[in-house]
Amino acid sequence: DTGVSQNPRHKITKRGQNVTFRCDPISEHNRLYWYRQTLGQGPEFLTYFQNEAQLEKSRLLSDRFSAERPKGSFSTLEIQRTEQGDSAMYLCASSFLAGAGETQYFGPGTRLLVL
Amino acid sequence: AQTVTQSQPEMSVQEAETVTLSCTYDTSESNYYLFWYKQPPSRQMILVIRQEAYKQQNATENRFSVNFQKAAKSFSLKISDSQLGDTAMYFCALRGRVTGGTSYGKLTFGQGTILTVHP
Repeated sequence: DTGVSQNPRHKITKRGQNVTFRCDPISEHNRLYWYRQTLGQGPEFLTYFQNEAQLEKSRLLSDRFSAERPKGSFSTLEIQRTEQGDSAMYLCASSFLAGAGETQYFGPGTRLLVL
Repeated sequence: AQTVTQSQPEMSVQEAETVTLSCTYDTSESNYYLFWYKQPPSRQMILVIRQEAYKQQNATENRFSVNFQKAAKSFSLKISDSQLGDTAMYFCALRGRVTGGTSYGKLTFGQGTILTVHP
């Protein structure tokens, strides 16, 4: 069990550029979540997948955001035409849905700075 | 809509002493789960303790215990024998019941409490 990994750990980009983040969940975890955390605040839910199906998207996820989880393994989160307000920590979490006993395990996050 | 409120932005405690972090929440669901997560500086979030709302007994994990008051919608975390390694941001979180494909899996977090343990 190597834990949830995220790449890159840090990303600096200029306003208007596109960025893509990757999350590798714990092996055999069928649920994968994306959250956004701004400085000094708690994480906010963005979207989640069960296997390869994206089951829910938050209203925070504007049209510039897209997430995929091909083949139900790793996931990518892409932000197009980045804005300074997108600067935040993007967290990925995974879990194994087994009745009521679901616990989400978090990755280290990708810190995005938009200049 | 679910909400979680942590009214203590910062707390401090001396090593070996006990500290309690507060959390209140609101949900319309009758069955749900509550969590405390710890986020050390520049490190990833880890689960400290969880409580299922249908269980009346308060959860405990070694030095960590909760005081779950369902009627008051209160869920506080008590840390006994505080250690320097407990210094972190602590988040209270709420999750609805997960059933099959129903999308109740997402966590709703509070604003966090920064806990500093002094030697």
